Amino acid sequence: GAGVSQSPSNKVTEKGKDVELRCDPISGHTALYWYRQSLGQGLEFLIYFQGNSAPDKSGLPSDRFSAERTGGSVSTLTIQRTQQEDSAVYLCASSLFETQYFGPGTRLLVL
Amino acid sequence: RKEVEQDPGPFNVPEGATVAFNCTYSNSASQSFFWYRQDCRKEPKLLMSVYSSGNEDGRFTAQLNRASQYISLLIRDSKLSDSATYLCVVIPGGTSYGKLTFGQGTILTVHP
Repeated sequence: GAGVSQSPSNKVTEKGKDVELRCDPISGHTALYWYRQSLGQGLEFLIYFQGNSAPDKSGLPSDRFSAERTGGSVSTLTIQRTQQEDSAVYLCASSLFETQYFGPGTRLLVL
Repeated sequence: RKEVEQDPGPFNVPEGATVAFNCTYSNSASQSFFWYRQDCRKEPKLLMSVYSSGNEDGRFTAQLNRASQYISLLIRDSKLSDSATYLCVVIPGGTSYGKLTFGQGTILTVHP
């Protein structure tokens, strides 16, 4: 079946602009996670959704970052007023039980 | 101190070699442990879970030492296709869901 998909695959934006990143999890997976992978920091947890609720947002780096999930399915990560340090690969993962399946990621470059 | 620490390598080995990676974690209450593999510019993929009794999957053997808070991965008879970054991953204690904490990764290159 279809895996986790993310869009766009690449995004180049100017500092100060807002961006939206989308994640389509595997159908039926109730848990959804966002991670960020950058050169200096490795892979870091951002936020966890169970259904449409986000019981753990502890990894969001600042209030410029927000995320939502609708219909227990698609999730959107929004970064407002982007900064150069936001440049990274943003990865989404979904799971039904223990194993998390990752999407291909969105490569974000802030100029 | 980082929650999960790995030797970043790189490890450069010939085909057929045996190579071992080590990882330590700081949260003694951690309950779940994994090795993920990440190819260049690709997403991480689960290689294997790590159990207290140790576990083996073909050429790959993973072991956990809770007393030393240490995890290992052994790859026997290395193949060119094993070249990748190997990520040690832990779910910290106190979480009832899969909040993965990643090590920095160990780079492996297998050459002919």
